[in-house]
Amino acid sequence: QSALTQPASVSGSPGQSITISCTGTSSDVGGYNYVSWYQQHPGKAPKLMIYDVSNRPSGVSNRFSGSKSGNTASLTISGLQAEDEADYYCSSYTSTGTVFGGGTKLTVL
Amino acid sequence: QVQLQESGPGLVKPSETLSLTCTVSGASISSYYWSWIRQPPGKGLEWIGYIYYTGSTNHNPSLKSRVTISVDTSKNQFSLRLSSVTAADTAVYYCASLDPNWYFDYWGQGTLVTVSS
Repeated sequence: QSALTQPASVSGSPGQSITISCTGTSSDVGGYNYVSWYQQHPGKAPKLMIYDVSNRPSGVSNRFSGSKSGNTASLTISGLQAEDEADYYCSSYTSTGTVFGGGTKLTVL
Repeated sequence: QVQLQESGPGLVKPSETLSLTCTVSGASISSYYWSWIRQPPGKGLEWIGYIYYTGSTNHNPSLKSRVTISVDTSKNQFSLRLSSVTAADTAVYYCASLDPNWYFDYWGQGTLVTVSS
C-alpha cells in the first residue's frame, strides 16, 4: 500500500488559482471514484474539503473543486486567500483499505 | 453535530501496548463506520483501520497483526490497541468517522502518543 504522490509544496498569490495533483495507480485513484481531499492547519485536525472526487461538503467554499483524470486526481483552489495556507492531503480507496498522499504545503505569498 | 474525542496515555514504553479510546457524541456509533488515523510529527497521515458497530474490522496491512480495534456500543465508544510499539509509532492519533464512500468526515482533535522509555 504505497502512498499517493503529491508535490511537496505549491504557492500562489492572493486571488490566483492553484492546482495540487495526486497521482496513484489503477488500483486506487484510477480504479475508484472514492478520492477525497483534506485541509490541515498547523496543530489542527484535518478537515474534509472534497469527497467522491468532486463533491463539496456543506460549508466548504465553492472556491475549492476536485477532478480526476486516469490515475491522477486534482484539487483546485481559486481566488486564493491567506486562510487557505495549510497542508493538503488526498486520499483514495484501495482494495486493502484507504491510502493517503504524502501531503502538499500551500503557501500564499 | 458529530463530535469525537480521543483519550488515553500520552506516553508508552517500547514493546508495550498503546491503548486509546474514542468517545462519540451527536451520533449513534451503530450508524456509521469508525476509523483510526495517525500522523508522526512533521509527517503525513496514515490510515490505521476501521470498525463497524457489528464488530467487523479492517486494518492497514503495513501494521500486520499489531492492530486491534473494538467497539462498545453501550458507551458509544470505539478503541485502538497497537501492540509491540517502537519509537516509529510515536504520532498524533486521530479517530474519525468513515463514510461508506471512504472519506473521513468528522475528526477528533487528536492525541499525541510518545513511545519512549
